[in-house]
Amino acid sequence: EIVLTQSPATLSLSPGERATLSCRASQSVSSYLAWYQQKPGQAPRLLIYDASDRATGIPARFSGSGSGTDFTLTISSLEPEDFAVYYCQQRSTWPTFGPGTKVDIK
Amino acid sequence: EVQLVESGGGLVQPGRSLRLSCAASGFTFDDYSMHWVRQAPGKGLEWVSGITWNSVNIGYADSVMGRFTISRDNAKNSLYLQMNSLRAEDTAFYYCTKDTRGWIAHWGQGTLVTVSS
Repeated sequence: EIVLTQSPATLSLSPGERATLSCRASQSVSSYLAWYQQKPGQAPRLLIYDASDRATGIPARFSGSGSGTDFTLTISSLEPEDFAVYYCQQRSTWPTFGPGTKVDIK
Repeated sequence: EVQLVESGGGLVQPGRSLRLSCAASGFTFDDYSMHWVRQAPGKGLEWVSGITWNSVNIGYADSVMGRFTISRDNAKNSLYLQMNSLRAEDTAFYYCTKDTRGWIAHWGQGTLVTVSS
């Protein structure tokens, strides 16, 4: 089973700052990694798939990079609506999720 | 528009059973694999079970293997999760989700299962 770890657990930033979130896989997942955003009381929303492709309707300030075991989600300039929890997910035989990174307001 | 509507959640005693249903619409149901994903209150996401379009391939998380059974009825555009021998740690919101090439772009609103005496 592929295990995903995310760091940091919490990221405290101000609006307008750049956010850099990390996801590491216990073994190579090639480019088969996605990122999701979840706000309180809502279902998760797909942001990025195949490591770097933005899902439909996702703003350009969200970008993904990486391959193999190390991946990064970057939010270039935080908007107020971006403060949320972010999860990574791999899609080998069956999906697994990372534990999440909470981006909160500093 | 893709819609996934879960039902069947509620309060159940430990050791008892519950069956979740998901009514799908807005897409060709039998073209897609489907999954159940759960989230305990205040916790992260956990994939529970998945099923391919033709029910040939089925998978379960270790935490539910042998207790939960996923199934689908393509004629009724419906996905199910039979949950037996429920435990307190199964308490969570259960989301019905649609798989698109291994990614989950569509989620239901979730149904809460509470296991408590």
